[in-house]
Amino acid sequence: GAVVSQHPSRVICKSGTSVKIECRSLDFQATTMFWYRQFPKQSLMLMATSNEGSKATYEQGVEKDKFLINHASLTLSTLTVTSAHPEDSSFYICSAPQGSNSPLHFGNGTRLTVT
Amino acid sequence: RKEVEQDPGPFNVPEGATVAFNCTYSNSASQSFFWYRQDCRKEPKLLMSVYSSGNEDGRFTAQLNRASQYISLLIRDSKLSDSATYLCVLSGGKLIFGQGTELSVKP
Repeated sequence: GAVVSQHPSRVICKSGTSVKIECRSLDFQATTMFWYRQFPKQSLMLMATSNEGSKATYEQGVEKDKFLINHASLTLSTLTVTSAHPEDSSFYICSAPQGSNSPLHFGNGTRLTVT
Repeated sequence: RKEVEQDPGPFNVPEGATVAFNCTYSNSASQSFFWYRQDCRKEPKLLMSVYSSGNEDGRFTAQLNRASQYISLLIRDSKLSDSATYLCVLSGGKLIFGQGTELSVKP
């Protein structure tokens, strides 16, 4: 069964609104979670690393004020896309390692469409 | 040069065929290697880790060549259900994903 749960799986919103995406680790604690974005026919691009109890680490070119990350507990990380624009439309996926040097488990992804 | 390079395909093969994908990487410090499978509009799912000595899981065989900096995935006796995009993934502090190779298995 799924070890990482992501919600919602699909969201359509209007330009200028904000969207919150939740990522939960099931049955294990994740001090670190990763947020990726994937555009059609492209590879997953790491946006940021969410750290429980401290600030997220953002990759170069990712606006931290636009993509707000909150790692509220050892099982929950949220990504808020603020003031969404059509170019933010993409597939957003979270992931968490279940242990050190273990492969990542991915959430089922959120398909965001901004109209 | 990209950190991870894969032939995007698509690879169109008949059922029962053997197909191989290669993936080259530029960072010799990469520590762990994985193959993930991603179905259309879905999240990636781990297919198998890749070990230095090579490893096999049923119809799937993964190889790692550190000297030449590439990994490979061999699929034998292809099934229709093998149709997907196969992602080469490296770890060296953070995960780096390849663009993916699209496989389409036809009846």
